Amino acid sequence: AQTVTQSQPEMSVQEAETVTLSCTYDTSESNYYLFWYKQPPSRQMILVIRQEAYKQQNATENRFSVNFQKAAKSFSLKISDSQLGDTAMYFCALRGGTSYGKLTFGQGTILTVHP
Amino acid sequence: GAGVSQSPSNKVTEKGKDVELRCDPISGHTALYWYRQSLGQGLEFLIYFQGNSAPDKSGLPSDRFSAERTGGSVSTLTIQRTQQEDSAVYLCASSLSRGGSTGELFFGEGSRLTVL
Repeated sequence: AQTVTQSQPEMSVQEAETVTLSCTYDTSESNYYLFWYKQPPSRQMILVIRQEAYKQQNATENRFSVNFQKAAKSFSLKISDSQLGDTAMYFCALRGGTSYGKLTFGQGTILTVHP
Repeated sequence: GAGVSQSPSNKVTEKGKDVELRCDPISGHTALYWYRQSLGQGLEFLIYFQGNSAPDKSGLPSDRFSAERTGGSVSTLTIQRTQQEDSAVYLCASSLSRGGSTGELFFGEGSRLTVL
């Protein structure tokens, strides 16, 4: 069985500051994919960033980057230069290499960016 | 359409009634998923359709839940004899194939179900 744990129910940050959201996971598969999704109040889930487990280099997408620690099974999301539009629920998700598109999600972290 | 479309956006029903939720995936996407998001919780996998293959129903919580996908496109999630614990947001997602090489799913805005 796969599990994803987000230990921070809520986080807040000042505009232009940096914030890190935590995620740990567990899987028995050797190859897998990790994702961070953003869910704004509109409810539509949007992919923020993805990481393939066999790649050692941490993924980066503009202001978003991850710290992938495979041995520790940790996958944190760093948001730099936070913007008001980053306010949303953030979900960490895991897909095994053999389990097609079925994602296992964490509980989510509500991020609020204050002006 | 340009994105995954779900209807209704909101549904309020009485306990014991049946409800149908509809999902129209992105054109050309062969894989379709239903997830449930209960208040304060993450997303719970319900069911997955891939082309003409038999669906993966392993996440359906009870036999009151069923889903079908007609013509490999539109899907309907049906909940019979609704209970208050069925209240949640039901999210539909689609992807090109088996999530492609990266597993990216494209989500709709969800259908919020409230059972009184």
